Amino acid sequence: GESVGLHLPTLSVQEGDNSIINCAYSNSASDYFIWYKQESGKGPQFIIDIRSNMDKRQGQRVTVLLNKTVKHLSLQIAATQPGDSAVYFCAFSGSARQLTFGSGTQLTVLP
Amino acid sequence: KAGVTQTPRYLIKTRGQQVTLSCSPISGHRSVSWYQQTPGQGLQFLFEYFSETQRNKGNFPGRFSGRQFSNSRSEMNVSTLELGDSALYLCASSLLGGEEETQYFGPGTRLLVL
Repeated sequence: GESVGLHLPTLSVQEGDNSIINCAYSNSASDYFIWYKQESGKGPQFIIDIRSNMDKRQGQRVTVLLNKTVKHLSLQIAATQPGDSAVYFCAFSGSARQLTFGSGTQLTVLP
Repeated sequence: KAGVTQTPRYLIKTRGQQVTLSCSPISGHRSVSWYQQTPGQGLQFLFEYFSETQRNKGNFPGRFSGRQFSNSRSEMNVSTLELGDSALYLCASSLLGGEEETQYFGPGTRLLVL
């Protein structure tokens, strides 16, 4: 069945370092991929998205990379800040207009 | 523009009761989706509404139902509550609910079933 998985459930980085969060998916028909950030007590917040006809997209301090060959998605956060501490979810939208989410990675930024 | 709002934010119920949660989408958004978030199962899709019609449904029992009003506001109802229904219920809205449209989430309603 469809699934989205994460390689690392937790990630700790030093403030100012770059962070890389990975995600594997199994549905090769997926066309749209999204990264969300969820802080404690809040709903998921959209960070960045990418469509299947692209392999890289950049936002403010964030970059998403898509490797369709190996069905891998990654989120890179440059110069990680304490405010980046949160759970990060990858998600993809398939043919049924529903989002399938990964299990999440807890990012902790160390001072 | 105001974001997605959900009420109530917190709710405590007992087994067997029913509960209704409300969601107001971003102004102009016509698609509303509901998700259940638990530590064990993560984020799971419940259903999606567009123009007052349920367009898609996840793998949840019939105790979970919803509806959408003409102003795009949506409610979900859970009847005969079970302990396992304790979760964060999230509502998300998008303009038309297209497959490549961003869904924007509300803060959620945290339901505790005792």
